Amino acid sequence: GQNIDQPTEMTATEGAIVQINCTYQTSGFNGLFWYQQHAGEAPTFLSYNVLDGLEEKGRFSSFLSRSKGYSYLLLKELQMKDSASYLCAVTRRWGYSTLTFGKGTMLLVSP
Amino acid sequence: EAGVTQFPSHSVIEKGQTVTLRCDPISGHDNLYWYRRVMGKEIKFLLHFVKESKQDESGMPNNRFLAERTGGTYSTLKVQPAELEDSGVYFCASSQEMGSSYNEQFFGPGTRLTVL
Repeated sequence: GQNIDQPTEMTATEGAIVQINCTYQTSGFNGLFWYQQHAGEAPTFLSYNVLDGLEEKGRFSSFLSRSKGYSYLLLKELQMKDSASYLCAVTRRWGYSTLTFGKGTMLLVSP
Repeated sequence: EAGVTQFPSHSVIEKGQTVTLRCDPISGHDNLYWYRRVMGKEIKFLLHFVKESKQDESGMPNNRFLAERTGGTYSTLKVQPAELEDSGVYFCASSQEMGSSYNEQFFGPGTRLTVL
């Protein structure tokens, strides 16, 4: 089976940096996605990692360690609009990309 | 470019009734996925179409759920008869054909189904 764990909730202050962790156990791992979801809206793609290392995209970065089954999403210079749920998801088979999600981390950014 | 759209946005029905959810993927996307999130749980995969064919329906809960994708364009997901545990948010996602380095899925806003 598969198991994906991420914290349920996190809080941070505007302008700060926050790291959201995700650990996973799965066979045939073929990549990890991070999605952002605002309440009542569609999940939107943030990042994809398949090789070990850090991928940087503006204020957001994502890290992967395949040997440790671990990823994190780093958000810098937090803004109020970053308050959302952050979903970690893994894929198991190349090309099909069926996503297996964690429960999501609700991030609340306060002034 | 229009994103993935879903209809209706909300549906409230009584146990035993039938409901049909619709998803219009991004034009040209061969892959269409259905997912569901029940309260307090993670988003879970239901099934995957490649064009009009069901590629993987291992996540479908039971035979009360029927998904179709006529002509490989829009898809419908029918629940008949609906039960209380079917309540949740049903998401549709689409992606381009296989062969890309990664297969980013674009999600719709979901249909919130409430079964009373």
